[in-house]
Amino acid sequence: EEQVVESGGGFVQPGGSLTLSCAASGFNFHIFSMNWVRQAPGKGLEWVSNLSGSGRNTYYADSVKGRFTISRDNSKNMLYLQLNSLRLEDTAIYYCAKVGARWTYDAFAVWGQGTMVTVSS
Amino acid sequence: DIQLTQSPPSLYASVGDRVTITCRASQNIDTYFHWYQQKPGKAPKLLIYAVSHLESGVPSRFSGSGSGTDFTLTISSLQPEDFATYYCQQTYSTPYIFGQGTKLEI
Repeated sequence: EEQVVESGGGFVQPGGSLTLSCAASGFNFHIFSMNWVRQAPGKGLEWVSNLSGSGRNTYYADSVKGRFTISRDNSKNMLYLQLNSLRLEDTAIYYCAKVGARWTYDAFAVWGQGTMVTVSS
Repeated sequence: DIQLTQSPPSLYASVGDRVTITCRASQNIDTYFHWYQQKPGKAPKLLIYAVSHLESGVPSRFSGSGSGTDFTLTISSLQPEDFATYYCQQTYSTPYIFGQGTKLEI
């Protein structure tokens, strides 16, 4: 069974940093691009970042560009999101999501349960 | 950036009803268009990928249609477990925008 499990969320003060992790299992991790998606309390889904399977190509939402860094370790089947210069508006559940097979046109086929990040003074 | 306009924001319906949710893209997004279902306290779940293809395990009462810029999610006969929030998404180009969501309520 394909699965992704996030960890690393918590409470942090404005301006602080945090690293989120996503452990993948049940599929050839290095083949698939991966994404982070967040959801602020009571709000909709916001795509945050994408990383290609090789790790060479990264993409970010304008709201996090220059502050967040996505990375992966294909030898460990792990995806990461480094969150720096955190703001109150970064408070959200952060989901890791795997794209589907080639014929799904990059739909987000597998989602984790999410990890909560709370930015508060 | 590509924008998605999803409507309605909320929808009241009853078990057995047929419901339709629409999503309009600001430019042609080919087949890079998908629908997700999210229940309270749960992660989103892929329902339909590439406009009209049902994800494995999704009941056949769900269907998707459309092309280019205008897309539709239809639930043919609502079941109690279908009351949730539905999101559209484009993966044609980054940022991979989601629609604003449609909350389907009794």
